[in-house]
Amino acid sequence: ETGVTQSPTHLIKTRGQQVTLRCSSQSGHNTVSWYQQALGQGPQFIFQYYREEENGRGNFPPRFSGLQFPNYSSELNVNALELDDSALYLCASSYGLAVGGTQYFGPGTRLTVL
Amino acid sequence: SQELEQSPQSLIVQEGKNLTINCTSSKTLYGLYWYKQKYGEGLIFLMMLQKGGEEKSHEKITAKLDEKKQQSSLHITASQPSHAGIYLCGADKDGGSQGNLIFGKGTKLSVKP
Repeated sequence: ETGVTQSPTHLIKTRGQQVTLRCSSQSGHNTVSWYQQALGQGPQFIFQYYREEENGRGNFPPRFSGLQFPNYSSELNVNALELDDSALYLCASSYGLAVGGTQYFGPGTRLTVL
Repeated sequence: SQELEQSPQSLIVQEGKNLTINCTSSKTLYGLYWYKQKYGEGLIFLMMLQKGGEEKSHEKITAKLDEKKQQSSLHITASQPSHAGIYLCGADKDGGSQGNLIFGKGTKLSVKP
């Protein structure tokens, strides 16, 4: 196991609702990245937080937002849910920003939007 | 934008057989990661390659990076049912921060006992 935990494991919401997903980083890690993985696809980068600041963002609309807390845990918030938001949401923690480091992934949160 | 293409998309092998999965990038590879994923679960880190010609092994899994071909291969020797899953290659997007990985669509491996 990686030491990265996510909650909840599964979630069912209806279109238009808002959702908050949580991630607890591996001990000693100060960087968290969030990914969305649709069925049959590879993970798509949403954004990254480094020491509580957003450090990069993928091609996702502003209704996807995040936070990183002083203990380096993180939240992903999605407003105005759409059917296409149904996916596995993965967080990954790592130390620092240098290329060549390794991201360790949590088990994911399966979000279903009806 | 950079893309990673994996081949084959799926693979069924008999237990004990060897197999190879390929990952080809549309742009220069700065860091190439291999992960394994059980269906609907998180990604398990296998290994990371950074330099051209680099080769790493872990148990019966070996990965190589061919920088000139912008390609990496993952080879499993004497496959076992425990090797079954989805293998994903990921790369540091455009040589940037490690946070922004792009991934291939994955190769689904089934191993028949």
